[in-house]
Amino acid sequence: QAQLQQSGPGLVKPSQTLSLTCAISGDSVSSSSAAWNWIRQSPSRGLEWLGRTYYRSKWYNDYAVSVMSRITITPETSKNQFSLQLNSVTPEDTAVYYCARDPLGGNWYDPWGQGTLVTVSS
Amino acid sequence: QSALTQPASVSGSPGQSITISCTGTTSDVGGYNNVSWYQQHPGKAPKLLISGVNNRPSGLSNRFSGSKSGNTASLTISGLQAEDEADYYCSSYTNSSSVVFGGGTKLTVL
Repeated sequence: QAQLQQSGPGLVKPSQTLSLTCAISGDSVSSSSAAWNWIRQSPSRGLEWLGRTYYRSKWYNDYAVSVMSRITITPETSKNQFSLQLNSVTPEDTAVYYCARDPLGGNWYDPWGQGTLVTVSS
Repeated sequence: QSALTQPASVSGSPGQSITISCTGTTSDVGGYNNVSWYQQHPGKAPKLLISGVNNRPSGLSNRFSGSKSGNTASLTISGLQAEDEADYYCSSYTNSSSVVFGGGTKLTVL
């Protein structure tokens, strides 16, 4: 039974970098079938897929067009986790951020992390 | 990529059945069998109900079922129970190699 545990700060200043980590248990970030995703949720934007990382003989990343210029998702194999960095944040990036596993690359998510409310404010 | 269209709210009485629609385009819902549905209770993370249009995770009640016709997918909940009161979201893979979610539907059990 895979589980995801998120960590990271809940408050980020405008123009700075949002950084979150998702620790994996019960599966491997290097799985050749799963993909590891970041999704956020806010009242104004609803649920928004941000991007994913996955391993298929080499590492791949896909990112949403809306954040492509500012986002990096990085696998950390030694710690069996993956991370999100979102640069140059504004108050519009305030949201609950979730990590989630796509078990078979079918673009569905199970399980999800517990969620982290990140507020962008000075 | 525009969000998929869901009704803002639906309601039903215990024991009844309800259906939530999720309308997209040929670029997402209509073009792929990668539609999934999630249930979210207040303050909790979404929980997978349906993947691949009509597949339930192991152990999930068969009161939940999914279908698709053209650009519209549907989630049906039969035998409504009080604990089904929650927000429900659909999602779909898109032709731009991304995933789009619906705006969500609030289910009220009367």
